Amino acid sequence: DAGVTQSPTHLIKTRGQHVTLRCSPISGHKSVSWYQQVLGQGPQFIFQYYEKEERGRGNFPDRFSARQFPNYSSELNVNALLLGDSALYLCASSPGGLGIYEQYFGPGTRLTVT
Amino acid sequence: QKEVEQDPGPLSVPEGAIVSLNCTYSNSAFQYFMWYRQYSRKGPELLMYTYSSGNKEDGRFTAQVDKSSKYISLFIRDSQPSDSATYLCAISLSHAGGTSYGKLTFGQGTILTVHP
Repeated sequence: DAGVTQSPTHLIKTRGQHVTLRCSPISGHKSVSWYQQVLGQGPQFIFQYYEKEERGRGNFPDRFSARQFPNYSSELNVNALLLGDSALYLCASSPGGLGIYEQYFGPGTRLTVT
Repeated sequence: QKEVEQDPGPLSVPEGAIVSLNCTYSNSAFQYFMWYRQYSRKGPELLMYTYSSGNKEDGRFTAQVDKSSKYISLFIRDSQPSDSATYLCAISLSHAGGTSYGKLTFGQGTILTVHP
């Protein structure tokens, strides 16, 4: 079975631009979470979506938004990029419900903002 | 005070050694405990997932949870060079409501090197 897939793998953007990152969960999983990981730190929680609704939100500015589609794939959008947004963006898939915390991560999208 | 504290290391051990990795946490309401392994420039890989105190074993890996001390550990027996990676502990509340639903709180990660 395919694991969590993310696209693109790498991305270079300029300050002020907008970026869209994509994630496809494990087949049968209905929940997707997004995390930001800066170098040398553990991942930080951004959003959690279950059954196409936002169920959790971390301490990130409104420039960050996301959505989940009927096929349970998800997009993370970041507007007005700042240098500090440079990081590895991770998507995690879980069954949802009682298995919400059993999260399996994708390979990530490495975003560089110049 | 951080919610989860993890010694960043780095930790260097010879092949075959027993490795002990540890995290402490501050909120006794945390109920779910995970260990992830992350190779350089890759996504974290789920190693162990538990929600109770005590030990859980999977091959060469043993996860230990002590809720009374708010302390979790991961032991790796017969360590191999392929175990060289960053190990992340993660914890979560039990069915947290509000904005924390589905949130994993991670430690900083411990960098482990197993040399032949």
